[in-house]
Amino acid sequence: GAVVSQHPSWVICKSGTSVKIECRSLDFQATTMFWYRQFPKQSLMLMATSNEGSKATYEQGVEKDKFLINHASLTLSTLTVTSAHPEDSSFYICSARGLGFYNEQFFGPGTRLTVL
Amino acid sequence: LAKTTQPISMDSYEGQEVNITCSHNNIATNDYITWYQQFPSQGPRFIIQGYKTKVTNEVASLFIPADRKSSTLSLPRVSLSDTAVYYCLVDSMNTGFQKLVFGTGTRLLVSP
Repeated sequence: GAVVSQHPSWVICKSGTSVKIECRSLDFQATTMFWYRQFPKQSLMLMATSNEGSKATYEQGVEKDKFLINHASLTLSTLTVTSAHPEDSSFYICSARGLGFYNEQFFGPGTRLTVL
Repeated sequence: LAKTTQPISMDSYEGQEVNITCSHNNIATNDYITWYQQFPSQGPRFIIQGYKTKVTNEVASLFIPADRKSSTLSLPRVSLSDTAVYYCLVDSMNTGFQKLVFGTGTRLLVSP
């Protein structure tokens, strides 16, 4: 199957700083990438969907100015958490769909964000 | 998108067959049923997908009755490494398969 990587795998930052998380499709072209957030013992919640070269579509309740998403190429999407606060601490997971992979999303390993 | 309902948790022992049932009463014609597995602190992993009747791959089988209002994921002879959360999702052609809505999932605990 196709491989999706995330970097970093974990990050600790101070409140008020910004953090960038990268999501890469390693062996396929990701026409669409998705960002999810998962709190402990809870399910994944879709934050936004991004298509290469287009603006991301955010789910209801997700602040687009706080969670900046850039999908500049067919293999890279970034999520920037701006002015992070402790309540933003969570597990962030990206996934990707690509040409030739009908119906299946490939998930990255996730990034654990801790805001102090 | 159709909402899914599945048991919160299940317990089993090594070597047993585990069947996890999911209900999706409002499933639409263009919807597919998809199951994902997630280990702690990892991203979900695709297990199997089906539309109707039975689908089998190297890790699981998926049974879907004619009315498609439910589905059953069958894991043959589970091992300790199958301890994970299993999510049943409805993936819709109507959204271009662009949106997955994760429910609560079923926490499977496999004991020795």
